[in-house]
Amino acid sequence: AQKITQTQPGMFVQEKEAVTLDCTYDTSDPSYGLFWYKQPSSGEMIFLIYQGSYDQQNATEGRYSLNFQKARKSANLVISASQLGDSAMYFCARGARGSTLGRLYFGRGTQLTVWP
Amino acid sequence: KAGVTQTPRYLIKTRGQQVTLSCSPISGHRSVSWYQQTPGQGLQFLFEYFSETQRNKGNFPGRFSGRQFSNSRSEMNVSTLELGDSALYLCASSPGTGLVNEQFFGPGTRLTVL
Repeated sequence: AQKITQTQPGMFVQEKEAVTLDCTYDTSDPSYGLFWYKQPSSGEMIFLIYQGSYDQQNATEGRYSLNFQKARKSANLVISASQLGDSAMYFCARGARGSTLGRLYFGRGTQLTVWP
Repeated sequence: KAGVTQTPRYLIKTRGQQVTLSCSPISGHRSVSWYQQTPGQGLQFLFEYFSETQRNKGNFPGRFSGRQFSNSRSEMNVSTLELGDSALYLCASSPGTGLVNEQFFGPGTRLTVL
């Protein structure tokens, strides 16, 4: 199975607070990558952060960090100091090398709302 | 570098018609993947083209087809449109080689079938 699970359909956070969006995945591939994308209401998927399965350190990109726990198969996104513009749908996705190199498997997403 | 472009951005068609969507990847990227996004099914992979060849295919009927040109631009065609084909169609561009490729998405084409 290539399932990506995002258990939080919706999350609410106050501006300037940190928030964690959960993601777990199921794979038997030894080498894979984990991605987080942001999708505002306009529809465009915006790449946020990437974590390779062999990376020793958790990925960080500005206010975004990825809490990667390989043994638990989880890749939670942490957004620090939330801003109103962070309100959007967030998707976790997994990609792999080999025969499915060009394909991503997506979760159902988490709708984040940041309130003032 | 210019990002991924998709045309048209919006499209309204009627049942039974056919439609062609276009995607221009980031310069130098050789892989283009297509996804369908609907509220009910979420994001579903349609297919991926790499160097003018279909390399991966999702679980969609044969009405959905695609192709890639020598300049890596890709088109997706849907024939005999059905109401259920109404969706946001996203294309993603990536280098297509190496380990696991980051994919960069275009703004999408929103197709409405009446």
